[in-house]
Amino acid sequence: AQSVAQPEDQVNVAEGNPLTVKCTYSVSGNPYLFWYVQYPNRGLQFLLKYITGDNLVKGSYGFEAEFNKSQTSFHLKKPSALVSDSALYFCAVRPLTSGTYKYIFGTGTRLKVLA
Amino acid sequence: EAGVAQSPRYKIIEKRQSVAFWCNPISGHATLYWYQQILGQGPKLLIQFQNNGVVDDSQLPKDRFSAERLKGVDSTLKIQPAKLEDSAVYLCASSLPRLGEETQYFGPGTRLLVL
Repeated sequence: AQSVAQPEDQVNVAEGNPLTVKCTYSVSGNPYLFWYVQYPNRGLQFLLKYITGDNLVKGSYGFEAEFNKSQTSFHLKKPSALVSDSALYFCAVRPLTSGTYKYIFGTGTRLKVLA
Repeated sequence: EAGVAQSPRYKIIEKRQSVAFWCNPISGHATLYWYQQILGQGPKLLIQFQNNGVVDDSQLPKDRFSAERLKGVDSTLKIQPAKLEDSAVYLCASSLPRLGEETQYFGPGTRLLVL
């Protein structure tokens, strides 16, 4: 079965330190990969995506993600965390199945940036 | 550019009652999605429309849930009758159905509480 794993329910990091939120997937072929952020009582906001090309993708708010095909991972990173980055982060995968544009979401990782 | 609009933002009903949610996608987005997000979980796709046709409703509980997108623009999702386990946030998203333009844009969601 196709799946997306976010192994950490919560990640704590001090403000100014680098952060990593992990995502691995089990999907056949070369899927499209996405990161979304969700603030309280808000919908999901798009951060970045990997379709093809350079394995390091840059996105909104200083976030970037590194695609690793051999490890089937797509970890979200930021060099210097801000308190305002505290939110719920979701990794999503779009298998390249013809006819649909269906996402499979991970269960989410809550990021807490401590002042 | 206006985002995805959803209403109502909150709804409280008793079990066995019916409820309807409305979504207006971003202008020009032919693909529309309804997701269910239960607390502590990632969004789960309920139904996907391409214009006014259903592409994927494999995870829609069809005995109680229905959705329509009659004119290929806005959409309604209905639950009748509601159960306690339907308490969740219902997210609507839209996208351009074009390869390389895979990004789904989400509305703020409707938070449903079934008592």
